[in-house]
Amino acid sequence: DSGVTQTPKHLITATGQRVTLRCSPRSGDLSVYWYQQSLDQGLQFLIQYYNGEERAKGNILERFSAQQFPDLHSELNLSSLELGDSALYFCASSSVGDLRYNSPLHFGNGTRLTVT
Amino acid sequence: KNQVEQSPQSLIILEGKNCTLQCNYTVSPFSNLRWYKQDTGRGPVSLTIMTFSENTKSNGRYTATLDADTKQSSLHITASQLSDSASYICVVSAQGNFGNEKLTFGTGTRLTIIP
Repeated sequence: DSGVTQTPKHLITATGQRVTLRCSPRSGDLSVYWYQQSLDQGLQFLIQYYNGEERAKGNILERFSAQQFPDLHSELNLSSLELGDSALYFCASSSVGDLRYNSPLHFGNGTRLTVT
Repeated sequence: KNQVEQSPQSLIILEGKNCTLQCNYTVSPFSNLRWYKQDTGRGPVSLTIMTFSENTKSNGRYTATLDADTKQSSLHITASQLSDSASYICVVSAQGNFGNEKLTFGTGTRLTIIP
């Protein structure tokens, strides 16, 4: 068990809708990362938060947004959903904000989003 | 553009045999290279992390090697077990702006161990 909790595990919704994915990082970890994994694709970095502030941004669409709350849990909001947004969304946490220090990333088990 | 390529895409071996997975990368400036194991429907789990100065690192029956000159890494699995069936993902870290690391993920090698 990585200690990273993601809810819900599965989500099925229709195009045009909005959903919120939730992530609780490992106890003591200040950084939260969000990744998208589409079928047969590598994980794509979306966004990183460190201690409540946005730290780095990847290929995140304007329809997507995220935040990290004072208790360090994070939410990823996906709106105006399209069929192509169907994917596994992973949250990961680390104790540092900068992976230069070889700090391991601890991944949750993901939320599988299906847009119909 | 930073890229990580893994080979083979998939591999099937008999239980008890050894195997080697390959990772080639074009990531600059290089910071570190990570191997992850991802079971179906689960999140990736870290196996090894290697910096520029490390040539080899072991974690039980898993041994990773790194050749920073040729930009190649391999993951060797010894005496495979059924529980080794998973995807193995190579991840290369490049130093980004303001010291933030950017991770580039390979698409993984799907390993299946058969009894």
